[in-house]
Amino acid sequence: GQQLNQSPQSMFIQEGEDVSMNCTSSSIFNTWLWYKQDPGEGPVLLIALYKAGELTSNGRLTAQFGITRKDSFLNISASIPSDVGIYFCAGQRGASGSRLTFGEGTQLTVNP
Amino acid sequence: DGGITQSPKYLFRKEGQNVTLSCEQNLNHDAMYWYRQDPGQGLRLIYYSQIVNDFQKGDIAEGYSVSREKKESFPLTVTSAQKNPTAFYLCASSITSIETQYFGPGTRLLVL
Repeated sequence: GQQLNQSPQSMFIQEGEDVSMNCTSSSIFNTWLWYKQDPGEGPVLLIALYKAGELTSNGRLTAQFGITRKDSFLNISASIPSDVGIYFCAGQRGASGSRLTFGEGTQLTVNP
Repeated sequence: DGGITQSPKYLFRKEGQNVTLSCEQNLNHDAMYWYRQDPGQGLRLIYYSQIVNDFQKGDIAEGYSVSREKKESFPLTVTSAQKNPTAFYLCASSITSIETQYFGPGTRLLVL
């Protein structure tokens, strides 16, 4: 199946730094989702985006739905140690099908 | 509490054996999904069900089987035909097939 191109694959940052990651696709999606996965656990939904150009915040997290519908980014401001984990983007075409297409994840490490 | 439960957390299987992974949800969601996750990779869809008594193959259905006899339950059987079954298996559900998916805690399957 199709995969999204998610970058970077991994990031090592100092506590307090801002983080940015993004996903791109050759296909259009109607919904973009960002999940976080802690080791040995299931992914937890962080932010859902439903409209091209939409910018949504959830605390220190901000995500945007690209205007072309082929990309999305996630920013984390003032990182803290509990931000450590794997962040996944996922695209969904909505009414035309129920499948989510996932990126390969960004492994984030935050050094105290 | 409402949510998605998967059991067991860890499962060991001998080569040549079938094994069934449990997924239960009490969210009254119509749609349920099974994903496989390998180290350093994104999630790949095995099977999904949009409604009771109906299910469709995902991208990597070979060697797996499912049933959806009850709305709350979507068990996954890993058969002996699956040549590389060691992985982390995640179940998800959504209100309908076009709504946001929420994940269970996962089951890690190890082949001895």
